[in-house]
Amino acid sequence: DGGITQSPKYLFRKEGQNVTLSCEQNLNHDAMYWYRQDPGQGLRLIYYSQIVNDFQKGDIAEGYSVSREKKESFPLTVTSAQKNPTAFYLCASSTHRGETQYFGPGTRLLVL
Amino acid sequence: GQNIDQPTEMTATEGAIVQINCTYQTSGFNGLFWYQQHAGEAPTFLSYNVLDGLEEKGRFSSFLSRSKGYSYLLLKELQMKDSASYLCAPADSGAGSYQLTFGKGTKLSVIP
Repeated sequence: DGGITQSPKYLFRKEGQNVTLSCEQNLNHDAMYWYRQDPGQGLRLIYYSQIVNDFQKGDIAEGYSVSREKKESFPLTVTSAQKNPTAFYLCASSTHRGETQYFGPGTRLLVL
Repeated sequence: GQNIDQPTEMTATEGAIVQINCTYQTSGFNGLFWYQQHAGEAPTFLSYNVLDGLEEKGRFSSFLSRSKGYSYLLLKELQMKDSASYLCAPADSGAGSYQLTFGKGTKLSVIP
């Protein structure tokens, strides 16, 4: 079955620790995206990638980093510089930019 | 930038019809998406409008007026499982980014 997977479902971070969220898709999509969702807020774009080895900052990139070494994978690292990381993180992909985005199941990050 | 306005909450009765409105402002316009998001889950794609008019898909229909910066999602024959948040997301073609900007969502509660 084609789809987008994210792992883990829940992730706990200690103060000062970097954590990496996984996102994998087997839909052969060129574009991939990371969003953050806070209670009562809309989805906010962190980073996006339109093609392998290229990515662009979204609206709230500070404290995050990404890589796109393979078409199928777009991991997100939440660094210690991100002071308020507790949120629901959603990965999405689309055939190309501007096309319909399909979402993975999400990772809920909590700070201990 | 983009301004997206949709009601925060709505309540409707099982079997009824409900209309969820969305107004938006974009610097460039490349269509508007509607997503459904159940509590604690990822958004799922419902509809996409790029031309003015009504698109019907089963119990769900979506309308767009580009000149008015207005869209609505119409849900017919409401079922309990339709209780969810509905996200309006215009695609902005400004600066060639084709980014989606998500509204905060309308939380729909369907009651017996």
